[in-house]
Amino acid sequence: GQQVMQIPQYQHVQEGEDFTTYCNSSTTLSNIQWYKQRPGGHPVFLIQLVKSGEVKKQKRLTFQFGEAKKNSSLHITATQTTDVGTYFCAATNYGGSQGNLIFGKGTKLSVKP
Amino acid sequence: NAGVTQTPKFQVLKTGQSMTLQCAQDMNHEYMSWYRQDPGMGLRLIHYSVGAGITDQGEVPNGYNVSRSTTEDFPLRLLSAAPSQTSVYFCASSYSLDPATGELFFGEGSRLTVL
Repeated sequence: GQQVMQIPQYQHVQEGEDFTTYCNSSTTLSNIQWYKQRPGGHPVFLIQLVKSGEVKKQKRLTFQFGEAKKNSSLHITATQTTDVGTYFCAATNYGGSQGNLIFGKGTKLSVKP
Repeated sequence: NAGVTQTPKFQVLKTGQSMTLQCAQDMNHEYMSWYRQDPGMGLRLIHYSVGAGITDQGEVPNGYNVSRSTTEDFPLRLLSAAPSQTSVYFCASSYSLDPATGELFFGEGSRLTVL
């Protein structure tokens, strides 16, 4: 079945350092979404990317969708302790079952003050 | 506006017992789904529904039943609980019938332990 692979699984950074997580697929994705889950919380939607090569920014967060629509990245500039949590990508394949949204395993970010 | 409400938040079961996790949303969303979250495994889709009377299986449906008699409610049933079903369960809904085109709104989760 479809899989989206996320790397790294864990990332520990010093506050102020940058952070990037990557999401890769062997098949073409229709679109991709990113979610953040704070420790003990539930996933919260961050953004959706639809177009090939799309780049979107939310303050210190930059999201990219690859030209081939097989990979995506989330980059955080100058991390803060409020960025702590697990970041998930989620996607469906082109032609895949509607409703079958598959999540990556997530990247857990810890930030040392 | 409560969003997505899950009950109970915590539950301990013995192997072989049955139970139902409740999920209700007040946003008039047609799409609803259940995920389970295990350490290092991310979120795995159990079942989903694109409207009342319509359900389908996700990645890990075995051991779980669902039904959708109303737009608001999407209960998840464990008929005979097993220790492998120890997990955190999340219900989610979306205004889009294809959740890949619209954000998912998650409930706060139900932590289930099966002894």
